Amino acid sequence: EVQLVESGGGLVQPGGSLRLSCAASGFIFNNYWMHWVRQGPGKGLVWVSRINSDGSSTNYADSVKGRFTISRDNAKNTLYLQMNSLRAEDTAVYYCVRVLGGSSSISPLGYWGQGTLVTVSS
Amino acid sequence: EIVLTQSPGTLSLSPGERATLSCRASQSVSSSYLAWYQQKPGQAPRLLIYGASSRATGIPDRFSGSGSGTDFTLTISRLEPEDCAVYYCQQYGSSLPWTFGQGTKVEIK
Repeated sequence: EVQLVESGGGLVQPGGSLRLSCAASGFIFNNYWMHWVRQGPGKGLVWVSRINSDGSSTNYADSVKGRFTISRDNAKNTLYLQMNSLRAEDTAVYYCVRVLGGSSSISPLGYWGQGTLVTVSS
Repeated sequence: EIVLTQSPGTLSLSPGERATLSCRASQSVSSSYLAWYQQKPGQAPRLLIYGASSRATGIPDRFSGSGSGTDFTLTISRLEPEDCAVYYCQQYGSSLPWTFGQGTKVEIK
């Protein structure tokens, strides 16, 4: 069974930093593209970032480019999101997501973690 | 950026009725790389439909997707009480960023 468990969320002041982690199990982690998607309180879904299976290719939404960094440790089956220079508008539940198919960058978001809440407030 | 516009915003129907949800794209979605997700309160989204019309594993056959180009539809043929949720369309083609529609809330009377 595919399992994705996020951690690392919490309350942080504007301008601060936070690193989210996502522990993956139940599948061969290094075969799949992985994504982060966020959802503000009472709002819709917003794609944040993606990384390919070996970590050599990454993409970001314009709203987080230059502030967030996605990475992965395939030996630890773990996905990360380093978030710097946080703003109030980054407040959201952050979901770790595995694509449905493995090697293609074009594959729907097949498996979702339960999310971790990040609150940016003074 | 491909903008996805969903309608209606809210759909209120009785059990057994047919629900038709629309998703319109600001430009053509390549090769029908269009997915639908269901999100129930307090839960993570769940993939329902991908490739515009393929059901994900374990999804009941009362859910169906159709469309191409810029116009897509999710149909729930016979509403069940457990279908109460927000439904999002999303394009996952080669054009970044991947984008979601704003969601359609389905209420059961």
